[in-house]
Amino acid sequence: DIQMTQSPSSLSASVGDRVTITCRASQDISNSLAWYQQKPGKAPKLLLYAASRLQSGVPSRFSGSGSGTDYTLTISSLQPEDFATYYCQHYYSNPPPFGGGTKVEIK
Amino acid sequence: EVQLLESGGGLVQPGGSLRLSCAASGFTFSSYAMSWVRQAPGKGLEWVSVISSGSSTYYAASVKGRFTISRDNSKNTLYLQMNSLRAEDTAVYYCAKPEGYASIFDAFHLWGQGTMVTVSS
Repeated sequence: DIQMTQSPSSLSASVGDRVTITCRASQDISNSLAWYQQKPGKAPKLLLYAASRLQSGVPSRFSGSGSGTDYTLTISSLQPEDFATYYCQHYYSNPPPFGGGTKVEIK
Repeated sequence: EVQLLESGGGLVQPGGSLRLSCAASGFTFSSYAMSWVRQAPGKGLEWVSVISSGSSTYYAASVKGRFTISRDNSKNTLYLQMNSLRAEDTAVYYCAKPEGYASIFDAFHLWGQGTMVTVSS
């Protein structure tokens, strides 16, 4: 099974900050990676898929990059509505696990 | 409107059974692989199971042999039969759909609102 290691597990940031979250797979997942945002009491929302493709309706301040085993989610200028928990997930093979999550909190 | 609506959650004793349903609307249900994902209280997301459009199935190791995923395309409904339930199965259970139908494993573009399952005596 391919394991996903997400870091950091939490971070504190201010509105306007640039935020970076990383996800490392235990083997090459060929860009088969998605990023989700989840707010308390709500279902997850897809932000990016295929590592860097922005889901329709998602603001352009969200971007994704990476290849092979290492991937990054970047929020270029953090907005108040971006305080949430973020998860990566690979879908390269069975099983398709999620990363442990990154909680983005207000500094 | 494209949507997924889960139901069937509740309180069940350890060792008991429960069947979850996910009613789909607004798309051609039979063409898509469908998945279940769960989230224990205060914890992260855990993929549980997937069923392809052709009814091939895959399970997480934590539920294999106890849970069964199925679908009824005539009713546009996905199911998760959960047997031999344990306290650690307590979670919100979401059904989820990918955007395309080319692969059984894909990003989840559409999620239901979730249904809570509590396993406790």
